[in-house]
Amino acid sequence: QLQLQESGPGLVKTSETLSLTCTVSGGSISTTDYYWGWIRQPPGKGLEWIGSIHYSAYTYYNPSLKSRVSMSIDTSKNQFSLNLNSLTAADTAVYYCARYSGDLAFDIWGQGTMLTVSS
Amino acid sequence: DIQMTQSPSTLSASVGDRVTITCRASQSISNWLAWYQQKPGKAPKLLIYEASSLESGVPSRFSGSGSGTEFTLTISRLQPDDFATYYCQQYNGYSPYTFGQGTKLEIK
Repeated sequence: QLQLQESGPGLVKTSETLSLTCTVSGGSISTTDYYWGWIRQPPGKGLEWIGSIHYSAYTYYNPSLKSRVSMSIDTSKNQFSLNLNSLTAADTAVYYCARYSGDLAFDIWGQGTMLTVSS
Repeated sequence: DIQMTQSPSTLSASVGDRVTITCRASQSISNWLAWYQQKPGKAPKLLIYEASSLESGVPSRFSGSGSGTEFTLTISRLQPDDFATYYCQQYNGYSPYTFGQGTKLEIK
């Protein structure tokens, strides 16, 4: 059974860069059928898609975050990563990684990791 | 970007009720619409994809309908486990993926 697990620092200072990793277990990240994405949710608020990546390294970012986002994939470790720079308090959120397909939307999610941005 | 608007924002209902949540898209998304259920402290769970297809393992009391710009999620007979927040999401490949603001389903 495919599982996703986020890992990250928990607390980052304002203006710094966030690095999060999602480890995929129970299946290969190197599949043509799926993309891998990041979604975030500020406390008490709704969901925001950040971006998606394919094992071929094709990326697709939310235009509202595109200038601050980069994603990468490491097929040897079965992991994909998110970098988000120039952090502000508005980036405080639970960050989820998820599997995505054009048919099934986001069908498998990680449990989420809370990120707090503080000066 | 395509805006997704859900109504109502909050819905109070009782066990056994039939409830409907509506999601409207700011432009046509064909049937590229998903519904998720989220409980406090948990990740969203996919319920419905392609507007009306039931995800494997999801109870048949959940159903989705619609196409174009108007969609509905119906729960035919509410169970205690169904009280949660529900989100719609459009995944039209020509636009950034966007979610509705959520509908909180509360016990009356």
